[in-house]
Amino acid sequence: KAGVTQTPRYLIKTRGQQVTLSCSPISGHRSVSWYQQTPGQGLQFLFEYFSETQRNKGNFPGRFSGRQFSNSRSEMNVSTLELGDSALYLCASSPGQGGGQPQHFGDGTRLSIL
Amino acid sequence: AQRVTQPEKLLSVFKGAPVELKCNYSYSGSPELFWYVQYSRQRLQLLLRHISRESIKGFTADLNKGETSFHLKKPFAQEEDSAMYYCALIVGTSYDKVIFGPGTSLSVIP
Repeated sequence: KAGVTQTPRYLIKTRGQQVTLSCSPISGHRSVSWYQQTPGQGLQFLFEYFSETQRNKGNFPGRFSGRQFSNSRSEMNVSTLELGDSALYLCASSPGQGGGQPQHFGDGTRLSIL
Repeated sequence: AQRVTQPEKLLSVFKGAPVELKCNYSYSGSPELFWYVQYSRQRLQLLLRHISRESIKGFTADLNKGETSFHLKKPFAQEEDSAMYYCALIVGTSYDKVIFGPGTSLSVIP
């Protein structure tokens, strides 16, 4: 099976712009989660989608949003970018049903804000 | 509050020595805990999960509900164990949110 694929791998934006990141989960996986990873805060949960519905979200401002399509692919959008949004954004997928499902991670998208 | 702590940011041990990576959690429900590992230039990947009670690459972890801990142990460290280790707690009504600890960087000295 192909692993979790995230595009693009690198992005450079300026303050005030918006950005959309994409994640294709492992075939058959219906849950997609997004994380922000920074040296100072570590791995922080952004949100999780299952069957096109957001089931949970972390403590991030409304500028961070996401969606999931019927084929389980997911996108994450950040509007009005700030310098502090510079981070590695990781996507992870899992089957999504039942407890204790391990997550499979992508390589991430490294976002730099100038 | 739901929280995972890993008190050691960096841990160095000699090859062949025992290693213990500490993890403590705070959660009022029944915990589902994992250890993830990230080797240099590789993706974050699952190492082991508490419900399977298995040993992976010589590592084991026991859930201690009384001490709210899930420490990762290996009796004899190998150089290839050098990596970043994250303890993770799954919460949410559908197990839909993962809270990661800050991570411990393990360095095995040859």
